[in-house]
Amino acid sequence: DAGITQSPRHKVTETGTPVTLRCHQTENHRYMYWYRQDPGHGLRLIHYSYGVKDTDKGEVSDGYSVSRSKTEDFLLTLESATSSQTSVYFCAISEGQTGNTIYFGEGSWLTVV
Amino acid sequence: QKEVEQNSGPLSVPEGAIASLNCTYSDRGSQSFFWYRQYSGKSPELIMFIYSNGDKEDGRFTAQLNKASQYVSLLIRDSQPSDSATYLCAVKANFGNEKLTFGTGTRLTIIP
Repeated sequence: DAGITQSPRHKVTETGTPVTLRCHQTENHRYMYWYRQDPGHGLRLIHYSYGVKDTDKGEVSDGYSVSRSKTEDFLLTLESATSSQTSVYFCAISEGQTGNTIYFGEGSWLTVV
Repeated sequence: QKEVEQNSGPLSVPEGAIASLNCTYSDRGSQSFFWYRQYSGKSPELIMFIYSNGDKEDGRFTAQLNKASQYVSLLIRDSQPSDSATYLCAVKANFGNEKLTFGTGTRLTIIP
């Protein structure tokens, strides 16, 4: 157990509304990530963070923003949800001195209707 | 060309046999390689990682890396029905770059 909690675990929202997903870790790891997983595309990196207030874009960052004001929390915001953002979202953390391994949270299932 | 490619399967293997899962990657500078297992509706869980050419064994699992051929594989010996899952190959570009790039996964079914 890497001590990662995602919330909410399931959410249905309407097109055009903002949505925030939260990732909380208890192990004080430096790196945190948001991935989305879709059939045929696998896991794709949205954004990641390498420290408080230090974030960078991944390969599918359009329409998403992130914030990390505390080491333990990494927030993913969909500014104006679209149906194409219906997906499973996984938070992950990088553990160990060299950050060699990445562990995933349980996922957040988001449906945009 | 995708950065990390896997055969999507499904791959069916009889119980007790060896399952062989393959992955190729395009970035020749990639340094570390990971295998994750994902059960339906669950999150990926790390099985093992490998950095050096050759084989690395952990219980019934063996990872094999050939950097010259840009190829990494996972062998599962004495396959069990509980090994039925999707297996994800992931690649990290270089030491210090902490982003993993994933393949789309291979669905493995172990037939009792």
